[in-house]
Amino acid sequence: QKEVEQDPGPLSVPEGAIVSLNCTYSNSAFQYFMWYRQYSRKGPELLMYTYSSGNKEDGRFTAQVDKSSKYISLFIRDSQPSDSATYLCAMSRTDSSYKLIFGSGTRLLVRP
Amino acid sequence: NAGVTQTPKFQVLKTGQSMTLQCAQDMNHNSMYWYRQDPGMGLRLIYYSASEGTTDKGEVPDGYNVSRLKKQNFLLGLESAAPSQTSVYFCASSLGSSSYNEQFFGPGTRLTVL
Repeated sequence: QKEVEQDPGPLSVPEGAIVSLNCTYSNSAFQYFMWYRQYSRKGPELLMYTYSSGNKEDGRFTAQVDKSSKYISLFIRDSQPSDSATYLCAMSRTDSSYKLIFGSGTRLLVRP
Repeated sequence: NAGVTQTPKFQVLKTGQSMTLQCAQDMNHNSMYWYRQDPGMGLRLIYYSASEGTTDKGEVPDGYNVSRLKKQNFLLGLESAAPSQTSVYFCASSLGSSSYNEQFFGPGTRLTVL
């Protein structure tokens, strides 16, 4: 069983929709939670970062962490065609925060 | 700033051939990383370097070696390439490795081993 599970999609939504992307994990020692966005044929880029539980908002993006359920989410409001990309969740432990464990990524397509 | 650069962008090897993937960063970062990305597997850490002259194995180090002789460069070597090493390789760097430091990724090297 993978430490981090992520639905591969693809997820296709119309422009303006609210998108929900999710990951589940099994290791309760994870404390740092990240969402990376990866455009086709490019390297990943950090989108959101959360330490421990709670919510974090940045513009149209909201990251949620529920440590009791071992579940993290990324919400995208008013989705745009430019949001079409693969979204990777990643997480790490405090004692080895550089060792990121990635989900396999969810491919998102926002239709104009 | 160019950020993290990788060469080559594409490479085709025959089984048993050797090659070196090159990574450079101009952000004066202390830590550098090599990952591979395979369909359905996400990114997996191959090797990590906390500082110039130090390296450590990641999740999938077998069949690879690394070199960090200069702070700005991190080299990934394949001594005898195997078809299982067909993948997209990403280099990344971060300011440090204690607590959380954002990792910045390069554009990737697409390697095919025939």
